[in-house]
Amino acid sequence: DGGITQSPKYLFRKEGQNVTLSCEQNLNHDAMYWYRQDPGQGLRLIYYSQIVNDFQKGDIAEGYSVSREKKESFPLTVTSAQKNPTAFYLCASSERTGNQPQHFGDGTRLSIL
Amino acid sequence: RKEVEQDPGPFNVPEGATVAFNCTYSNSASQSFFWYRQDCRKEPKLLMSVYSSGNEDGRFTAQLNRASQYISLLIRDSKLSDSATYLCVVSRGSTLGRLYFGRGTQLTVWP
Repeated sequence: DGGITQSPKYLFRKEGQNVTLSCEQNLNHDAMYWYRQDPGQGLRLIYYSQIVNDFQKGDIAEGYSVSREKKESFPLTVTSAQKNPTAFYLCASSERTGNQPQHFGDGTRLSIL
Repeated sequence: RKEVEQDPGPFNVPEGATVAFNCTYSNSASQSFFWYRQDCRKEPKLLMSVYSSGNEDGRFTAQLNRASQYISLLIRDSKLSDSATYLCVVSRGSTLGRLYFGRGTQLTVWP
């Protein structure tokens, strides 16, 4: 089945630690996105990538980093510089052209230990 | 001003009721419009695209008014399983393909 796989489903971070969230898709989509959702809030865009080896900052990129070495993969690292990382993280993908809907993975819940 | 505005609700309706959600968007260059559904603690899922002429999918009807920059979703004959948060989503349609999400409107259908 084609889809987007995020792992792990739950993740705990210690103070001062970097953690990496995985996102893999087999939909052959060019574009991939990372969002953060806080309780009762909308989705906020962290980073997005239109093609391999290229990515752009979204609205809340500070404290996060990404890479796009393969079309299928778009991992997100939450660095120690992100002081309030507890949230629901969602990865999405879409065809490169504009006007296309995005398809989401089932998310990773990150909490601070 | 936010890109997409929605009434957060909550809307509490009995089974069988008809309920309507509204959404406004700020950028007149917006070209694509969608409604997503998000269940509690789950990922958003595409419910339907919204076309200029309006469109229907079973009990769900979406309307777009470009002049007023307004989108609506009508749910007829509500079911318990319709309980969720409904997200209004807008794309400017550039090659970047970025979507802008509203905060969502929460719906609870009670028996």
